[in-house]
Amino acid sequence: GAVVSQHPSWVICKSGTSVKIECRSLDFQATTMFWYRQFPKQSLMLMATSNEGSKATYEQGVEKDKFLINHASLTLSTLTVTSAHPEDSSFYICSAGLRGRTAYNEQFFGPGTRLTVL
Amino acid sequence: LAKTTQPISMDSYEGQEVNITCSHNNIATNDYITWYQQFPSQGPRFIIQGYKTKVTNEVASLFIPADRKSSTLSLPRVSLSDTAVYYCLVGGGKDTGRRALTFGSGTRLQVQP
Repeated sequence: GAVVSQHPSWVICKSGTSVKIECRSLDFQATTMFWYRQFPKQSLMLMATSNEGSKATYEQGVEKDKFLINHASLTLSTLTVTSAHPEDSSFYICSAGLRGRTAYNEQFFGPGTRLTVL
Repeated sequence: LAKTTQPISMDSYEGQEVNITCSHNNIATNDYITWYQQFPSQGPRFIIQGYKTKVTNEVASLFIPADRKSSTLSLPRVSLSDTAVYYCLVGGGKDTGRRALTFGSGTRLQVQP
């Protein structure tokens, strides 16, 4: 099956620093990847859509200058949380759909990255 | 995307069958119904998907009535390891594997010994 990995699985950083999270599709190409954020006991909320070779599309209320997304290849998207603050502490999850796969809603999710900002 | 409504939580015991119903009154003609499972601190995992009638795989069954305004995920003989949050999603048409998903509140299933 299709596998999506994330790195790191967890990170603790000081307030004001930047953190980069990687999302990789290991055995398939993904022209589109998605970044979600999940707070404790809550559902996943879409942050942005990452498109290979073009700018990301951000959801309303998500600061594009704070959450930098780069999708430089068909297998890698990165999310950089700039000048992180405690309120950015959350579980960040990426997903990707199979390129060329039609008629299905199936996406493959990464294992998530737990970010804790002190 | 069609809005979905699920029970917030359910309790069950090991060995029982669990049925989780999802309402999606505004489902569109080309929408598929998909269920995901999420364990704590993990990404969601695809369980099953269907368009109409009944779909069965090695882990679950999905029942969809003719009007498609609801669907029921059936988990046979649950075990403690089935304790998780289950999300019902409704998505449109072809190639939706490359579209963002809208997650509702999900159903938190707690399986007791």
